Order: sequence, then structure tokens, then C-alpha cells
Amino acid sequence: DAKTTQPPSMDCAEGRAANLPCNHSTISGNEYVYWYRQIHSQGPQYIIHGLKNNETNEMASLIITEDRKSSTLILPHATLRDTAVYYCMGAKYGNKLVFGAGTILRVKS
Amino acid sequence: NAGVTQTPKFQVLKTGQSMTLQCAQDMNHNSMYWYRQDPGMGLRLIYYSASEGTTDKGEVPNGYNVSRLNKREFSLRLESAAPSQTSVYFCASTPLNRAVSNQPQHFGDGTRLSIL
Repeated sequence: DAKTTQPPSMDCAEGRAANLPCNHSTISGNEYVYWYRQIHSQGPQYIIHGLKNNETNEMASLIITEDRKSSTLILPHATLRDTAVYYCMGAKYGNKLVFGAGTILRVKS
Repeated sequence: NAGVTQTPKFQVLKTGQSMTLQCAQDMNHNSMYWYRQDPGMGLRLIYYSASEGTTDKGEVPNGYNVSRLNKREFSLRLESAAPSQTSVYFCASTPLNRAVSNQPQHFGDGTRLSIL
């Protein structure tokens, strides 16, 4: 499984885009990049995943560099409810996820 | 839709007591997982079950046992609880259909366990 590196914390103004980076230089060719978040003490929540191409869903966009060594999760219009810990992981088929410390995103009004 | 249900939500034990944490999912998922989360840290995998009838160790299995009772249920047992096992325990499930890539894990709300 790929080792990932994320900044420990970030701040974002409410209504602005939040761009969360992740380095995964050891990711293998068949591992997907997954993003989850954990709000307060709840169970982690799936956000988005991708292999090579950029992906978008109702929650976020995922930009993966061409060499697949890094990615950026974009929350286009952050709200206070997006304050959470965001985890980036590499995994095959979504199983055996390895959670690091993640990035604490604080959305401020 | 209930998703992944964990019981109990809270529990306090004394050192040496035994305890079984229950987890059930109603999504017909093949794979189930047990994680623990300690303050300021991400989740660490304790055990997982890729399919009914199979279980495998994760990153931190010592002090725990698991049972995949049927496709729906995956329990975690502490035979002799220790203070170091004070943690929040999360159960998760995923389809794990290798023909499909979009298989996010669905998590329960956790069991908060304190061992005195």
C-alpha cells in the first residue's frame, strides 16, 4: 500500500475553495487514490476516488498529477460543515485502507 | 437504510474483563473490517474478513479475536481487556467485487471503549 504525506492542518474561508494536497510517490500502478473525511468523532465518510483521470462528484473534485505521485482534493465552496480531518490513501479495490494522520481542515466564517 | 450498525456505543470495562463488540451490515457486502482509533491518530486496521468464512490479521491484531458469524455480522472480542486497548473502535464493510472499482468502505459510528 502506498505511503501518503499530507499537511497536518489547513484553514479555509467559508465559501472559498479548499484545496487539500496529498503526496503518494510510492503508489503502484493498480492502486486507486481514495479520499475520506472524518467529522468530529463520527466514522470516516467516503468522498471520492480515482486512478489516473480527474474525477468529480457531488461532494468534491479530485485532481491527480500525470505521474500519479500527488493529488489534490478540491471542495469548491467550503462550508462550516466541511470542517473535518481529511485522509488520502492508496489502495486496490478500496480494501485494506491505511489511514495516516490526515489533514485537519478548519473552515472559518 | 441502517448501513453498518455497531453495538454498544459506549462501554467501560475493568482490566482483565472480556467483551465482544458487535457489528452488522445490511448492504450485502462481502468484506468487513475492524479498526481502532486513538487520540490524534488515524485509524489502524485490527482484523478484516475478505469474505464469509475468512479472517486475516491487520496492522494491530494482538489482544483481539474476531468471528465472521455470517455475511452480515463480524464481531471483535477482547478476551482480557488492558488499559492500552482503550480506544474508539470502528467497523466497516465494502462490496469487494474485484470487477468493480468503486467500492468505498462504509463505516459505523464507532464504539467508545474505556478500560480502567
